[in-house]
Amino acid sequence: AQSVTQLGSHVSVSEGALVLLRCNYSSSVPPYLFWYVQYPNQGLQLLLKYTTGATLVKGINGFEAEFKKSETSFHLTKPSAHMSDAAEYFCAVTPKAAGNKLTFGGGTRVLVKP
Amino acid sequence: GAVVSQHPSWVICKSGTSVKIECRSLDFQATTMFWYRQFPKQSLMLMATSNEGSKATYEQGVEKDKFLINHASLTLSTLTVTSAHPEDSSFYICSALPGSPSSYNEQFFGPGTRLTVL
Repeated sequence: AQSVTQLGSHVSVSEGALVLLRCNYSSSVPPYLFWYVQYPNQGLQLLLKYTTGATLVKGINGFEAEFKKSETSFHLTKPSAHMSDAAEYFCAVTPKAAGNKLTFGGGTRVLVKP
Repeated sequence: GAVVSQHPSWVICKSGTSVKIECRSLDFQATTMFWYRQFPKQSLMLMATSNEGSKATYEQGVEKDKFLINHASLTLSTLTVTSAHPEDSSFYICSALPGSPSSYNEQFFGPGTRLTVL
């Protein structure tokens, strides 16, 4: 069974500072990888995804993530945090032939300080 | 863009009653929908896969007789929590999958339903 680990359940950053959220997966075959954002009492919004091709993927709101097969990682970054980035972020994976069933990491709550 | 709605957005019920939650894909057809539950400050856990025209597939540990799923059309799946108890209080989120599950497709998530059982 695959699993997803997000290092750090809470991250606090200053406005304008780098945001770095870590995600590692365990899978014998590289899966499809996703980052979602969830605002309070709302569903999930897709930030970005990696399926094939270029390993550095750019998403919405200035976020990007890099798939590193050797490190089984898919860390999410944003160069400059904005107050509106305060939310919960989830990394998720799905095996390439698993009917699109997602396995989520534990989530990382981002606090942005003015 | 693809939009998924859920109704109701929140519901409070008494212990022992049943509650139905609807998940609709508004601008696309979805042969497959997923139901997740999310406890406070926790991640999403997949409960079941809802397939149009066939029985749902439940994840291990999820009681199929307690969480009844009906995917009656290509745009509607319902989750009924039967004989609800306070421990069923949670945030229930659905997602819908346009296209075939045999190939990669992006899931689109509903806004969630907050269930509180008194």
